[in-house]
Amino acid sequence: DARVTQTPRHKVTEMGQEVTMRCQPILGHNTVFWYRQTMMQGLELLAYFRNRAPLDDSGMPKDRFSAEMPDATLATLKIQPSEPRDSAVYFCASGLAGQGASNEKLFFGSGTQLSVL
Amino acid sequence: GQNIDQPTEMTATEGAIVQINCTYQTSGFNGLFWYQQHAGEAPTFLSYNVLDGLEEKGRFSSFLSRSKGYSYLLLKELQMKDSASYLCAVRNSGYALNFGKGTSLLVTP
Repeated sequence: DARVTQTPRHKVTEMGQEVTMRCQPILGHNTVFWYRQTMMQGLELLAYFRNRAPLDDSGMPKDRFSAEMPDATLATLKIQPSEPRDSAVYFCASGLAGQGASNEKLFFGSGTQLSVL
Repeated sequence: GQNIDQPTEMTATEGAIVQINCTYQTSGFNGLFWYQQHAGEAPTFLSYNVLDGLEEKGRFSSFLSRSKGYSYLLLKELQMKDSASYLCAVRNSGYALNFGKGTSLLVTP
């Protein structure tokens, strides 16, 4: 049963600490997304990659956030230093783009619930 | 940019029909998606529309009017397990999905 795997599921940290979230996309998917979800803003796109290359990270605060794909099976989102306003659920999603159809859906991981105290 | 609007909350009775509306403004349009999200869980795909009209899938149907920038999700024969948040999302000329803030649906006995 193919699925997107995210770790950790929960993270509590103190302001100023570094946070790293990891995502394993579905095998064979070529596009990976990072979203952040809060009650106020809903699901916001932070960054996405196609074939491991960053395509758009305009939604991500550049001074403290960074996203990478070291290889096709791992995507990371790092916050350094973390702040209380970063508290949210961070979702990773993957999809298979470029198949000639626009109906390719995204599959979401279970998310990382981050609390910055 | 994009602007996607949907009601914040709705309540309906078990066995009834409910329609959740979504309006959008976008530069470039390449499909509209509906996702369901139960509390504490990941969003899961429900439906997709790219041409005008109604797409039916069991108890769920989704409608699209591109000229009006309008879609709705229709849920029939409501069940208690349908209590969830319903997210409208638009794909523009890129591949990413841009989501509305979601409609929280409560189904009551």
